[in-house]
Amino acid sequence: EMQLLQSGPEVRKPGDSLKISCKGSGFTFSDHWIGWVRQMPGKGLEWIGIVFPAGPLAKYSPSFQGHVTVSADESLSTAYLEWNSLKASDSGTYYCAREAVPRTASPMDVWGQGTTVTVSS
Amino acid sequence: DIQMTQSPSTLSASVGDRVTITCRASRRIPNYLAWYQQKPGKAPKLLIYEASTLETGVPSRFIGGGSGTEFTLTIDTLEPDDVATYHCQHYHSYPWSFGQGTKVEIK
Repeated sequence: EMQLLQSGPEVRKPGDSLKISCKGSGFTFSDHWIGWVRQMPGKGLEWIGIVFPAGPLAKYSPSFQGHVTVSADESLSTAYLEWNSLKASDSGTYYCAREAVPRTASPMDVWGQGTTVTVSS
Repeated sequence: DIQMTQSPSTLSASVGDRVTITCRASRRIPNYLAWYQQKPGKAPKLLIYEASTLETGVPSRFIGGGSGTEFTLTIDTLEPDDVATYHCQHYHSYPWSFGQGTKVEIK
């Protein structure tokens, strides 16, 4: 079964750093772009960025570029989303998702269960 | 960057009704459009891609249409299990983006 398993919920203070993870199984991880999506409480989905594990290649939404880093470790079949300095407005649920077609821009067909990040002083 | 605008934001209908959600792109995206269903507390689920192709296992009452800049998702006969928020997303050129979402409720 193809799946993405994300790391657990996190509580941090403003200014803290954080790295959350997304481990793939049941498919060839290095063949697929892995994207990250934010959902703030009660709001819609926001596309953050995407990484190609065998690259390394990464692309970002202008809304998030410079504030987060997406990366991947092909050998661990794991993708990461990282912040150097969190803000309260970073609170939300973060999903990783696999683009469906290997090496090709395509919709996201396998999703992680989500990681809730709470940033509060 | 391409912006996606969805309407309505909320839709209330009766079981058995035919309901339609619209998604507009700020510029042409041929058919690089996907629809997702998200139930409360769950991750989104891919329903339709390439504007009108049903993902495996998705019931045929879900119908995608449109091309260019205007797209629709129709639920042919609304069922209680369809209560969810529906999101459109383009994948024409980076950065991808989503519509604001449409919450579908049962009257």
